Amino acid sequence: GAVVSQHPSRVICKSGTSVKIECRSLDFQATTMFWYRQFPKQSLMLMATSNEGSKATYEQGVEKDKFLINHASLTLSTLTVTSAHPEDSSFYICSATWVNEQFFGPGTRLTVL
Amino acid sequence: QKEVEQDPGPLSVPEGAIVSLNCTYSNSAFQYFMWYRQYSRKGPELLMYTYSSGNKEDGRFTAQVDKSSKYISLFIRDSQPSDSATYLCAVTGGTSYGKLTFGQGTILTVHP
Repeated sequence: GAVVSQHPSRVICKSGTSVKIECRSLDFQATTMFWYRQFPKQSLMLMATSNEGSKATYEQGVEKDKFLINHASLTLSTLTVTSAHPEDSSFYICSATWVNEQFFGPGTRLTVL
Repeated sequence: QKEVEQDPGPLSVPEGAIVSLNCTYSNSAFQYFMWYRQYSRKGPELLMYTYSSGNKEDGRFTAQVDKSSKYISLFIRDSQPSDSATYLCAVTGGTSYGKLTFGQGTILTVHP
């Protein structure tokens, strides 16, 4: 099956630092990857669509300078949370599209102190 | 009005019960309907995928779509404790094809 990994699975950082989260499709190539954010007991909210070799498309209300997305290859997309603050603490999940289906990574729990 | 509405529950049922999970959506352009299961601190996994009105069955799971009333359902027969998870409906289609819009998710607990 199609497997998507994320690294790290959990990160704790100090306010003001930047954090990079990696999303990899392990056994397929994904031209499109998506980044979601999920608060406790809430749904997944789409943050941005990441296309290989081009700029990401951000959803309304998502700061592109705050959440930097790079899709450098067909198997890797990265999300960098710049100058993180406690309100950025959340569960970040990526997905990769293959044969019209989205496969989700296991998520990254970010805690900003 | 949210594009997808889902009763968050929580829902607690005894083992063996039939579970009914429901969502409504507002945009008739949505053409594809999915149900995902998410265990705690994990990413969602696809359970069912449909694109037409009617029923689709897969083992103990049945997905039902009524496009005329913009209503989608997931039924779980003979529920098991291992079914305890959050269930999320998702829709896509029209100009948003490829992007998933999720419901809030329903927390289900099946107790032995």
